[in-house]
Amino acid sequence: GQQVMQIPQYQHVQEGEDFTTYCNSSTTLSNIQWYKQRPGGHPVFLIQLVKSGEVKKQKRLTFQFGEAKKNSSLHITATQTTDVGTYFCAGISGGSNYKLTFGKGTLLTVNP
Amino acid sequence: IAGITQAPTSQILAAGRRMTLRCTQDMRHNAMYWYRQDLGLGLRLIHYSNTAGTTGKGEVPDGYSVSRANTDDFPLTLASAVPSQTSVYFCATGTGLNEQFFGPGTRLTVL
Repeated sequence: GQQVMQIPQYQHVQEGEDFTTYCNSSTTLSNIQWYKQRPGGHPVFLIQLVKSGEVKKQKRLTFQFGEAKKNSSLHITATQTTDVGTYFCAGISGGSNYKLTFGKGTLLTVNP
Repeated sequence: IAGITQAPTSQILAAGRRMTLRCTQDMRHNAMYWYRQDLGLGLRLIHYSNTAGTTGKGEVPDGYSVSRANTDDFPLTLASAVPSQTSVYFCATGTGLNEQFFGPGTRLTVL
């Protein structure tokens, strides 16, 4: 079955440093979504990428979808303490019946 | 009701007992999902329903059953709970290929 690998598992940064998490799928994806989960909370949708090579920005967050539609990344510029949480990528592949396969997530902690 | 509600918020359950986790939405989304979240394993799909009256198995369906009698409700039943089902359970809704909306979760402990 489809597998989605995400690295790193943990990342600790000083406030102001940049952060990147990477996602790789074993199969070509129809789209990839990114979610953020604050400690003790539930996953919240951030963005969806659909097109090959797509790049989207949300303030300090930059999301990329690879040309082959098998990998993606989330980059945060100048982290803030409010960025703390676990970031998940999740992909849908053709024939998956709209089921999302989640990566295991990257836990980001930020030292003020 | 605003969005997605789950009940109970938390539960401690003796092994062998039957338990139903409830999920109700008022968003009129066709698709509903049940995930479990375990440390280091991320979110794993248990069962899903693309529309009322239909259900399907996810990645980890064993020991769980679901029903979808109407659009709004998607209960998850553990017929005979085991300690390995200790987890946080999230219900989610969606419209297919687009974003999913998650409920607040149920923390279940099976002793």
